[in-house]
Amino acid sequence: SQKIEQNSEALNIQEGKTATLTCNYTNYSPAYLQWYRQDPGRGPVFLLLIRENEKEKRKERLKVTFDTTLKQSLFHITASQPADSATYLCALDLQFTPLLSGNQFYFGTGTSLTVIP
Amino acid sequence: DTGVSQDPRHKITKRGQNVTFRCDPISEHNRLYWYRQTLGQGPEFLTYFQNEAQLEKSRLLSDRFSAERPKGSFSTLEIQRTEQGDSAMYLCASSRGGGSGYGELFFGEGSRLTVL
Repeated sequence: SQKIEQNSEALNIQEGKTATLTCNYTNYSPAYLQWYRQDPGRGPVFLLLIRENEKEKRKERLKVTFDTTLKQSLFHITASQPADSATYLCALDLQFTPLLSGNQFYFGTGTSLTVIP
Repeated sequence: DTGVSQDPRHKITKRGQNVTFRCDPISEHNRLYWYRQTLGQGPEFLTYFQNEAQLEKSRLLSDRFSAERPKGSFSTLEIQRTEQGDSAMYLCASSRGGGSGYGELFFGEGSRLTVL
């Protein structure tokens, strides 16, 4: 079966430390992988996109890696702040999956991050 | 650009009633998605439109669910004969389609459904 798994447990870290979130998938060959942030009661907000031929992408304090051999993406927040506390979702773009007729975005279960002051 | 808007934000209904949600995407976006999200879970794909064509529908979507996008602009998601298991947040997202075919999703704030 197809699965997208993120850290099963909530992540609590101290302010200023680096948070590392994982996204593992099986039975997919995504062309792209995206990361979103979701605050309680709100819709997800896009953060970063990384293509299958990119190993790493950075945006300010955020860094994403993508290892298609391991079928894993890592999402890092450096110098974390309490305002970074939220749920983070990874999403796979199955654009090139032969059986599908267009873009498909499938989301992981999300990881809840709490940054402690 | 007013973003993706969804209406209503909250809906409480009795089991067996029909409900309809509306989504207005960002105006220049030709792709529109519906997702369902329950507490502690990620968004679950329901269906996807490119312009007015419904290109994909999740196998998880029962016959009680129907979605339309009649003129390639706003979309509606109707749930007939609601069940308590339909209680969830229904999220709409839009994206810009193009030659490369990829794009970030812009989500609305969701429509929360409670079935009593």
